[in-house]
Amino acid sequence: QQQVKQSPQSLIVQKGGISIINCAYENTAFDYFPWYQQFPGKGPALLIAIRPDVSEKKEGRFTISFNKSAKQFSLHIMDSQPGDSATYFCAANRDSNYQLIWGAGTKLIIKP
Amino acid sequence: NAGVMQNPRHLVRRRGQEARLRCSPMKGHSHVYWYRQLPEEGLKFMVYLQKENIIDESGMPKERFSAEFPKEGPSILRIQQVVRGDSAAYFCASSPKDGSGNTIYFGEGSWLTVV
Repeated sequence: QQQVKQSPQSLIVQKGGISIINCAYENTAFDYFPWYQQFPGKGPALLIAIRPDVSEKKEGRFTISFNKSAKQFSLHIMDSQPGDSATYFCAANRDSNYQLIWGAGTKLIIKP
Repeated sequence: NAGVMQNPRHLVRRRGQEARLRCSPMKGHSHVYWYRQLPEEGLKFMVYLQKENIIDESGMPKERFSAEFPKEGPSILRIQQVVRGDSAAYFCASSPKDGSGNTIYFGEGSWLTVV
């Protein structure tokens, strides 16, 4: 119930393409869904986040799509660039609970 | 993120030695969280502290691990009698208050290698 399942484990996309990473959760009490970006040797940095009252949130080239009934959310990176190459983590928690539950991560490689 | 400062960035310890990892939260933040990340895995919550208080240590191994956040000075994660399985990246995060994850800022991590 506390798990967040993330896929794929790794992803290779051509420059300019769309990168799509998916996450699924089981706990219907979760109401905050962030995505973090982590470069090698660095800490995770918040990229974009969504709450279940909306089905989509867009910030620049990054979009979160949220499907409450399916208990799934995904990150889309449009016009992917080599600088987007990093590991991406989805996470979830309840707004009143500090403890983020993390996905296992997706290693994204953008080929020039 | 220059705000949350962790040191050392890299630490090598022999089996049986002690490891001490330090974390100075962002200015104005009174809540500190420690996470552990094994290679090719996500982050696992270890402990949540406020000044002079451990709020939640449910993710901490019962033995050899301890954490503190004194009134003055950095938060310290202490691992006694390290074993090879303790080799991991340890991330500290801080927030100005308890609440949702969007107020949590991570440091750049301390990489512990046990040889």
